[in-house]
Amino acid sequence: EAGVAQSPRYKIIEKRQSVAFWCNPISGHATLYWYQQILGQGPKLLIQFQNNGVVDDSQLPKDRFSAERLKGVDSTLKIQPAKLEDSAVYLCASSPLDRGELAFFGQGTRLTVV
Amino acid sequence: AQSVTQPDIHITVSEGASLELRCNYSYGATPYLFWYVQSPGQGLQLLLKYFSGDTLVQGIKGFEAEFKRSQSSFNLRIPSVHWSDAAEYFCAVGGMLTGGGNKLTFGTGTQLKVEL
Repeated sequence: EAGVAQSPRYKIIEKRQSVAFWCNPISGHATLYWYQQILGQGPKLLIQFQNNGVVDDSQLPKDRFSAERLKGVDSTLKIQPAKLEDSAVYLCASSPLDRGELAFFGQGTRLTVV
Repeated sequence: AQSVTQPDIHITVSEGASLELRCNYSYGATPYLFWYVQSPGQGLQLLLKYFSGDTLVQGIKGFEAEFKRSQSSFNLRIPSVHWSDAAEYFCAVGGMLTGGGNKLTFGTGTQLKVEL
């Protein structure tokens, strides 16, 4: 079974630039999560989708971050404009519907903002 | 609000030693509890999880963890550490979201270093 695919693996941008990350979940998984993992910290949930609807985006900095999951499959996470403190690994995970305890994680995208 | 505390940021042990990684949680009901491992440049891999039932759970690679409600703890035990176990270990607690689905809250992790 293919895992959660993320791209790119690494990205370096200057502050105030924009960036987008892509995630392809495991086939059939209705729930998709984006986590932010800052160096030295545990992952923090940014947004959770159930199919193409948002379940929880309470910790998403909406003034600069946006995410979408068109057609309930792939998802993109965008940052515009980026700040230095956005440097982190962005992890995507997916799970069957309402079964977050069965979440599988992708390898993540490491973002460096300079 | 749910939270997880991992008091040990870094641990160094010799190969073959036994080890317990500590995890304390705060959650208003019976939690789902997890241990994940993350090797450098890799995503999170689930080691084991507790939902209900037997409080001693077995995971991959011979790891085990015990849920102790009275202590709000879910400590991970490694019976005999191997050099390949060097990684970062995260404890997480899961809870239901009002709108459906589950939300995982992670601790800050424990970095394990193994000396040969």
